[in-house]
Amino acid sequence: SQQGEEDPQALSIQEGENATMNCSYKTSINNLQWYRQNSGRGLVHLILIRSNEREKHSGRLRVTLDTSKKSSSLLITASRAADTASYFCATPNDYKLSFGAGTTVTVRA
Amino acid sequence: NAGVMQNPRHLVRRRGQEARLRCSPMKGHSHVYWYRQLPEEGLKFMVYLQKENIIDESGMPKERFSAEFPKEGPSILRIQQVVRGDSAAYFCASSPPTQTQYFGPGTRLLVL
Repeated sequence: SQQGEEDPQALSIQEGENATMNCSYKTSINNLQWYRQNSGRGLVHLILIRSNEREKHSGRLRVTLDTSKKSSSLLITASRAADTASYFCATPNDYKLSFGAGTTVTVRA
Repeated sequence: NAGVMQNPRHLVRRRGQEARLRCSPMKGHSHVYWYRQLPEEGLKFMVYLQKENIIDESGMPKERFSAEFPKEGPSILRIQQVVRGDSAAYFCASSPPTQTQYFGPGTRLLVL
């Protein structure tokens, strides 16, 4: 079964708006990672947040982690057309990454 | 430093044929992982290899699938007697020990 579940499944926003997606997971983790996948391409590692961190920033990305609720969120601020992609959270179990089904984000010009 | 390389990027096979997927890890990475992504789904772990060793193949179907990572050359994921249900994107990732995995562009396999 999947460890991470993203919500919503799909998101459509106007360029310049913010996009927020959530990830819930089931078991204890050491860290949680977010990846981006452009259509028909491979995965790009965006950000890793450790279990003792509550928030992390990278450019226009902000990730939060709430281990008590077993959830994480990814916020993309001031979205651009190039942000159109699927976003996955992944939790490691030793070396195995468990991915959710992803959130597909469409940014309209 | 080139990223993880996978070839071919697209592969079409008829049912019953063999599919051979190749992955060259990033320079300096000794750990390789294979994942499969079915349409509209996330990636699912298949197998974890180090040079000349299969560490964990718990996610790989017991029949028809095999993987290797020889001392020299790329890692190979081999699917014998392919069936339509094998159609998917297969991603390889590499890493140094216990660090972030870097993914290749994937091989999209279509079984006719």
